[in-house]
Order: sequence, then structure tokens, then C-alpha cells
Amino acid sequence: GDSVTQMEGPVTLSEEAFLTINCTYTATGYPSLFWYVQYPGEGLQLLLKATKADDKGSNKGFEATYRKETTSFHLEKGSVQVSDSAVYFCALTSGGGADGLTFGKGTHLIIQP
Amino acid sequence: DAGVIQSPRHEVTEMGQEVTLRCKPISGHNSLFWYRQTMMRGLELLIYFNNNVPIDDSGMPEDRFSAKMPNASFSTLKIQPSEPRDSAVYFCASSNSGINEQYFGPGTRLTVT
Repeated sequence: GDSVTQMEGPVTLSEEAFLTINCTYTATGYPSLFWYVQYPGEGLQLLLKATKADDKGSNKGFEATYRKETTSFHLEKGSVQVSDSAVYFCALTSGGGADGLTFGKGTHLIIQP
Repeated sequence: DAGVIQSPRHEVTEMGQEVTLRCKPISGHNSLFWYRQTMMRGLELLIYFNNNVPIDDSGMPEDRFSAKMPNASFSTLKIQPSEPRDSAVYFCASSNSGINEQYFGPGTRLTVT
């Protein structure tokens, strides 16, 4: 079955540091890939997505590129802020919008001022 | 748009009691998903509906769990009888199957004592 593996953290960085959160996946067919963010006490918010190989999703300074050859979708941001502190989830779906998401375990990111 | 609405936000109940969680999807969305989040297992898909019809309930833990979607604007997840190991945050999400993005509600935090 489908699966997603990501570094669990916590990852602690100083403000303005470069961020990378690794995500690799196993899936049948050609999945769509997502990053979701969860702030304390809240639900998940879609951060970015990519639906085919070599697509780059981007939002709020975050980027991730769909790499089919390495089955990866690493999340990056050039300069993090304290407000980026949250839990980040990598996810995939193999069946389009009508199928459920398979999530990684989540990475807790802590940004210190 | 009000987003996905879940109620109650918090539920504390005693073992053996029936628990009903409620979800109102975003208007116009035709797919609805129930997820469970725990520290040990992360985010798991329990069941999802397309056009009010249950498509895949293979994630439902056992017969104590049941879900219904009587119309396009309402779904319930019921646990009867509840057990302490059911304690978790339960999320509802909805999507338009043509858009391939799921929108999450704020979750219901269930505590079974």
C-alpha cells in the first residue's frame, strides 16, 4: 500500500535559517503530493501541492518539487520566521480528489527568535 | 465560506457510553472524509464518502465505529460503546473531487475515561 516517510523532529532552527524537511513516498501509479501545516489546537491547512512529476508547489515562501526518480517531495524555505513554528505533514493520494490521503507522521518545527 | 464545521470541539465521556461526532462539509463539495489523529499512529483515514455513498471504510477500527452521511451537508461518526483507546482528535475533511484538495475542520478532541 501507499506510505509516506518524513523526519519526525522536533526540528529546532533559529529565525532566518534555511529549512528542509525531507519526505519520501511509496505509491502505486502516479500520486498527487501535498504538504499540510497544523498550528497548535487547529486543524490541518493545505500549504502546497504538486500533481505530476517535476511540478513545483509553492506558497508563503515554502516550496517543494515532485521528484519521481527519487520518490521525494522535500519541503524548503529560505528564511524561516517564528510564526512558521508548527507541525508539517507530507501526504499523498493516488486516486485524485475523491480518495483519502495517506500522511506521514508529521515534523514538529520550532523556530527560535 | 464557513469552512468545514465540526461539533462538538471537545467531548469527555465515560467508557461504555455512546459518542456521536458531527460534520458539516463545505457547500458544493461532494467528498467527505473522517480521520483520526493520535500520538502513536499519527493521522489515519477512517472512512470516506463520495456523493453521500460510503466508498472505503477499511480504516474503521472495529464494529464499534459507524459513520453515516444522510445528505450532502451532514455526516456523523458514532462510537458505541466507547473505550479509553478511542481517545484521539477526530477530523472531518471535504473536497470537490475535481479539484484534488481536501479542506479540514478544526477537529473534535475526544477523551474517554
